[in-house]
Amino acid sequence: GAGVSQSPSNKVTEKGKDVELRCDPISGHTALYWYRQSLGQGLEFLIYFQGNSAPDKSGLPSDRFSAERTGGSVSTLTIQRTQQEDSAVYLCASTPWASGSYEQYFGPGTRLTVT
Amino acid sequence: AQSVAQPEDQVNVAEGNPLTVKCTYSVSGNPYLFWYVQYPNRGLQFLLKYITGDNLVKGSYGFEAEFNKSQTSFHLKKPSALVSDSALYFCAVRHYGQNFVFGPGTRLSVLP
Repeated sequence: GAGVSQSPSNKVTEKGKDVELRCDPISGHTALYWYRQSLGQGLEFLIYFQGNSAPDKSGLPSDRFSAERTGGSVSTLTIQRTQQEDSAVYLCASTPWASGSYEQYFGPGTRLTVT
Repeated sequence: AQSVAQPEDQVNVAEGNPLTVKCTYSVSGNPYLFWYVQYPNRGLQFLLKYITGDNLVKGSYGFEAEFNKSQTSFHLKKPSALVSDSALYFCAVRHYGQNFVFGPGTRLSVLP
């Protein structure tokens, strides 16, 4: 079946502009995560959605970052007034929580470059 | 708080030799442990996990890992390395009710 998809694959934006990154999780997966990966570095947790529960936003680095998940499926990560330090690969992952299988399925990522 | 350490930034091994990528963790209670691999210009792929049961878990591409509770370790191993195993490897931990925490990653280079 289809995996996690993310769009766009690449985004170049000017400093100060807003950007929206989209994630389509695997159908039926109830948990969805956003991470940020700087060049060659580890994963930085941003936000986590689980079913209808309130999202865990503890990883968002500033109030310029926000995310929503509509209908328990598609998620959008929004970065307002982008800064050069926001340049990174943004990864989305989903998990079939209900089955007790906790492994995460990752999308290919969106490479964001802020000029 | 949960944390994961991968003490080696880089591991080099000759093709055909055994490989080990180290991971230690800090979490209260019983951890859920994972290994992921990231090939160049590709997303992360799940390799294997330990949730409960046998301490030795086997995963994709001939990899295995051993959960050692006393040493709080979950080292990734493969008996015979392939050049195609060259990639970035991430260890991750999750404790019940909490988020996943990823280690900083270890770059594995398998030399022909």
